[in-house]
Amino acid sequence: DTAVSQTPKYLVTQMGNDKSIKCEQNLGHDTMYWYKQDSKKFLKIMFSYNNKELIINETVPNRFSPKSPDKAHLNLHINSLELGDSAVYFCASSQGRALAYEQYFGPGTRLTVT
Amino acid sequence: AQSVAQPEDQVNVAEGNPLTVKCTYSVSGNPYLFWYVQYPNRGLQFLLKYITGDNLVKGSYGFEAEFNKSQTSFHLKKPSALVSDSALYFCAVRDDAGKSTFGDGTTLTVKP
Repeated sequence: DTAVSQTPKYLVTQMGNDKSIKCEQNLGHDTMYWYKQDSKKFLKIMFSYNNKELIINETVPNRFSPKSPDKAHLNLHINSLELGDSAVYFCASSQGRALAYEQYFGPGTRLTVT
Repeated sequence: AQSVAQPEDQVNVAEGNPLTVKCTYSVSGNPYLFWYVQYPNRGLQFLLKYITGDNLVKGSYGFEAEFNKSQTSFHLKKPSALVSDSALYFCAVRDDAGKSTFGDGTTLTVKP
């Protein structure tokens, strides 16, 4: 039983294309996140949703648009892909937005833009 | 703005020896501190957290961490390292808005 799942696991695409990454959690958590991990393994938060409401929106290009159809799902759509978007994207969830809750991460989606 | 520093990119220890992975933080207000581990080609896994209470926090896989408010540190420790502990370790701090800031990570290598 995968707690936080992401699809696809690998995504190879060309510059200028539009792509989506999907995330689902079966933990009953209220809060979900998207992180970007670059080639140096640095991890940076992009977005966070709590009960389908956007609560964290970091300085991310407008080409990135998250969408949460329900609190168990958080998708990431990327328009006009650029070489610099190549990274591993992690979805995560936590029980709530309270500071004490740890996060549970998905396995990651490795995006390669050529 | 909050920040986390992991001063060592790499820590090497021999199996059976104690290990320490260092973390210092800067945050306004009360610190909420976390350690996560990432194995190759995997997502991060939660190890332990400090919210309040005892300064020594015990977590998964025999790891523990010591919170030191005066030194603003939250070092990860294990009394006896295993080869299987080799991985990338992240320290994280959470701010009042719920945003987590992660350190740059420390690669731990445990040699047999």
